[in-house]
Amino acid sequence: DTAVSQTPKYLVTQMGNDKSIKCEQNLGHDTMYWYKQDSKKFLKIMFSYNNKELIINETVPNRFSPKSPDKAHLNLHINSLELGDSAVYFCASSQDWRGGLYEQFFGPGTRLTVL
Amino acid sequence: KNEVEQSPQNLTAQEGEFITINCSYSVGISALHWLQQHPGGGIVSLFMLSSGKKKHGRLIATINIQEKHSSLHITASHPRDSAVYICAVRFWIQGGSEKLVFGKGTKLTVNP
Repeated sequence: DTAVSQTPKYLVTQMGNDKSIKCEQNLGHDTMYWYKQDSKKFLKIMFSYNNKELIINETVPNRFSPKSPDKAHLNLHINSLELGDSAVYFCASSQDWRGGLYEQFFGPGTRLTVL
Repeated sequence: KNEVEQSPQNLTAQEGEFITINCSYSVGISALHWLQQHPGGGIVSLFMLSSGKKKHGRLIATINIQEKHSSLHITASHPRDSAVYICAVRFWIQGGSEKLVFGKGTKLTVNP
């Protein structure tokens, strides 16, 4: 039983396309996150949702739109893909977020390649 | 300048050696995380701490709030410890929201 799952694992697409990455957690956690890891392996948080409510929204282009239909899912939709969007995107979840002392469980990552 | 600085960037050790990875940050924090990223890409949370020291097996994490510094120690290192170790700090910003900033990681290679 995978705790945090992401689909797809690999995504290759052309510039200008719109794509979505899905994330699901079966841990009963309230908080979910999206991270981007660039080619230099630098991790940056993009978004965080707690019980379907946005709590962290870093400076990312508005082409990126997270959607949380319920607290077990946090999907990432990307419009008009650009070359610079190529990266590995990690989803994560934690029981809560207040105080920052909750362990995060990471998904396996989605490697996005924009051609 | 990144708000979180890790050192060293790369570290090569012989099996059995004691390893120390450092993380310094520039602002007051609510929590600090140490993460491990395996060569295959998977990320695992090792520690979360806001004060003092935590130990899990051969791993020890310490934090000094006054000095804004944390260390991750690995005792009796093993080749399976080879990974990238990432420090992340969480701090409050104006308006009551949080910011989470990552260090650039320390790539550890332990040779047999």
